[in-house]
Amino acid sequence: TQLLEQSPQFLSIQEGENLTVYCNSSSVFSSLQWYRQEPGEGPVLLVTVVTGGEVKKLKRLTFQFGDARKDSSLHITAAQPGDTGLYLCAGKPYPDSNYQLIWGAGTKLIIKP
Amino acid sequence: DVKVTQSSRYLVKRTGEKVFLECVQDMDHENMFWYRQDPGLGLRLIYFSYDVKMKEKGDIPEGYSVSREKKERFSLILESASTNQTSMYLCASSLANHNSPLHFGNGTRLTVT
Repeated sequence: TQLLEQSPQFLSIQEGENLTVYCNSSSVFSSLQWYRQEPGEGPVLLVTVVTGGEVKKLKRLTFQFGDARKDSSLHITAAQPGDTGLYLCAGKPYPDSNYQLIWGAGTKLIIKP
Repeated sequence: DVKVTQSSRYLVKRTGEKVFLECVQDMDHENMFWYRQDPGLGLRLIYFSYDVKMKEKGDIPEGYSVSREKKERFSLILESASTNQTSMYLCASSLANHNSPLHFGNGTRLTVT
């Protein structure tokens, strides 16, 4: 069974602080997606990383895919209350499947003003 | 923008009732999905459909069935609702392309009493 372990499960920090969320697995993924889910809404895609070692930036959010394509991280610089939400990672495993995604359990992030 | 609409935000049903959850997408996506989301467990795939009248079981299909008679509509059916099916149900759609992101509805919170 392929697993994607996400940590921490819960994080509450002050506005302006930095934070990192991790997704780790012993399995290799062909790509990995990060989603954010706000209360009462469905998850919304933030980014897809495809290449080992890839770094993508989305304003204050930096996403990294591990060299071996087994792990990923999301770093938020100077967190804002608007960053509050549930962050989910989802990996597409080998062999490629059109539909299969392995989901992390999520990181609930609260940014206090 | 892709819109995925789930017919109900909240449902309360009694044990043993037959329950229908409806989902409609407006972007001609080939793939449609039903997930359930429970705290600490992430998203678990119930069923997937890649074309009209085509369906595949996900990780937790027991107690559920699905119907896709039209490309834009994907229904989840609980033949005889049980209390352990109390959950948040999320519908999603995507293009058939590899790495195409999922577009989610806002979810249906089902309570079975």
